[in-house]
Amino acid sequence: DAGITQSPRHKVTETGTPVTLRCHQTENHRYMYWYRQDPGHGLRLIHYSYGVKDTDKGEVSDGYSVSRSKTEDFLLTLESATSSQTSVYFCAISGGPGTDTQYFGPGTRLTVL
Amino acid sequence: QKEVEQDPGPLSVPEGAIVSLNCTYSNSAFQYFMWYRQYSRKGPELLMYTYSSGNKEDGRFTAQVDKSSKYISLFIRDSQPSDSATYLCAMSVGNAGNMLTFGGGTRLMVKP
Repeated sequence: DAGITQSPRHKVTETGTPVTLRCHQTENHRYMYWYRQDPGHGLRLIHYSYGVKDTDKGEVSDGYSVSRSKTEDFLLTLESATSSQTSVYFCAISGGPGTDTQYFGPGTRLTVL
Repeated sequence: QKEVEQDPGPLSVPEGAIVSLNCTYSNSAFQYFMWYRQYSRKGPELLMYTYSSGNKEDGRFTAQVDKSSKYISLFIRDSQPSDSATYLCAMSVGNAGNMLTFGGGTRLMVKP
């Protein structure tokens, strides 16, 4: 998985609770991304980062926030989890311009009851 | 209409068959084209990467891009049960953020 770890790998939580997912990379890549994958919707971009403290919204950012205080770590926070946020979350990384590929982590399976 | 269309399948073939997986797209600005393979309960892994039109071969896999038709294909020769997975196409315009647009994936089953 290209030096990418995600934690936790599985989580069950209750509606209304905050949840933080962590992505850690050892590749020193500049760009990091958070996706969610749902049946019928494929991979959808939630947020991405183009450097430390530099983040931007993706296609489905409502209800999510991110932070990146170090090159290697990208955190995704569900401020108040809802059942619609039950999904599989993938982190991805990418190098600079001219390297138009992304490498994915193993995923976090989140269930919101 | 989605920017990238991909038949969800499932596509079931016997072992040894030649498999053809396809995506169509609407954005003529796409220049970089990728195929990812995703096994059940795993993250997508990069399989093939091509730039602009043409063919690229890697072992049993051939990626083909026809920009004039806005159509890309992945061919798998001598398919094996271990090829059973979901195949996702992805493409990029080559922007600084390396943003990718994904197809929904095609589920392939290769039966022994």
